[in-house]
Amino acid sequence: KQEVTQIPAALSVPEGENLVLNCSFTDSAIYNLQWFRQDPGKGLTSLLLIQSSQREQTSGRLNASLDKSSGRSTLYIAASQPGDSATYLCAVTGANSKLTFGKGITLSVRP
Amino acid sequence: GAVVSQHPSRVICKSGTSVKIECRSLDFQATTMFWYRQFPKQSLMLMATSNEGSKATYEQGVEKDKFLINHASLTLSTLTVTSAHPEDSSFYICSARVIQNTGELFFGEGSRLTVL
Repeated sequence: KQEVTQIPAALSVPEGENLVLNCSFTDSAIYNLQWFRQDPGKGLTSLLLIQSSQREQTSGRLNASLDKSSGRSTLYIAASQPGDSATYLCAVTGANSKLTFGKGITLSVRP
Repeated sequence: GAVVSQHPSRVICKSGTSVKIECRSLDFQATTMFWYRQFPKQSLMLMATSNEGSKATYEQGVEKDKFLINHASLTLSTLTVTSAHPEDSSFYICSARVIQNTGELFFGEGSRLTVL
């Protein structure tokens, strides 16, 4: 059974700092990995999708990497802003096409 | 990205009544939609996979008769919580994959259900 872990559960950083959010998964047989953002009481916004054959994806200040063999992914946020404050979830799509989520990392960027 | 719309965003109902939540893919067709449930400060739990034109596939522990799913068209799936109880109060989110897509999932805004 696939398990996705995101540690720490919460993170607080000053504005302008570059930061890395970590995600690990137990079963490397995945189709892809997605990073999502969730604001309080809202749905999920897809940030980046990395296919199993890819190593990284970039969008603006965000860069996500994938090391499938070691079961790890990182989301790098450059020059963090207060508007980046949210919960960030990673999820992997397994061979059964189902998505398994981590519990998320709640990020707070202090002005 | 593709847009998935959920309605209603918030609903309050009395115990024993039924509530229907709609999930629509606005600019694409989706043969498969997924329904999730999220408790406070917890991750999303997959409840069922909704398949257009056929029966939904439920995850272990999810009551089929309690959570009725209908996927009558390529752009609409509905979740009906029947005979709702306070413990059904939760945040329900649907998602869909674009046909012939590489597998990216797009999510609705979620529906907050409160059962009194």
